[in-house]
Amino acid sequence: GENVEQHPSTLSVQEGDSAVIKCTYSDSASNYFPWYKQELGKGPQLIIDIRSNVGEKKDQRIAVTLNKTAKHFSLHITETQPEDSAVYFCAASKGNNNDMRFGAGTRLTVKP
Amino acid sequence: NAGVTQTPKFQVLKTGQSMTLQCAQDMNHEYMSWYRQDPGMGLRLIHYSVGAGITDQGEVPNGYNVSRSTTEDFPLRLLSAAPSQTSVYFCASSRQGAPSGYTFGSGTRLTVV
Repeated sequence: GENVEQHPSTLSVQEGDSAVIKCTYSDSASNYFPWYKQELGKGPQLIIDIRSNVGEKKDQRIAVTLNKTAKHFSLHITETQPEDSAVYFCAASKGNNNDMRFGAGTRLTVKP
Repeated sequence: NAGVTQTPKFQVLKTGQSMTLQCAQDMNHEYMSWYRQDPGMGLRLIHYSVGAGITDQGEVPNGYNVSRSTTEDFPLRLLSAAPSQTSVYFCASSRQGAPSGYTFGSGTRLTVV
């Protein structure tokens, strides 16, 4: 089955700097890659997703890139703000949501 | 629009007790699922449903039962609680078909002593 690895497990940046979180997946048939943000005491919230027919997608300060050959995808947050502090999860899926596998999460801290 | 509502938010059980975690969504999503979240392990799928009357097992189904009598509700039952079931449980829903983003509930933190 699919295996998703996520790095780093913790990341600390200064406000205004960029943050990058990387994930690798094992199943070359995977075609959907969402990213979730989880704030303390809340459920994960979808922030951006990408499908395998595109290499990059941007939404304001957030972007995701996908390298299908290398089987990795990354989340990029520019001009970080303290409210970006949260745990971020990547995931990969190939057919339906029931085969979606999540990474272990990255705790991002943005220092003012 | 409430989205996905989970109750209770917190629960403490003794080993061997049973309980039901409630989940309801008001977005008319066909697909609903239950995940458990443990430190350093991400989210793991327990059970899922693609529509009323249809349920199936995920990665870690042992010790849990589900049913889907309506589109809106998807309760998770712990049959005989064990300390290994101490976790945070999330219910999620989405449209059916090709993989798509989930809407998650706010979670239930369960402790089994």
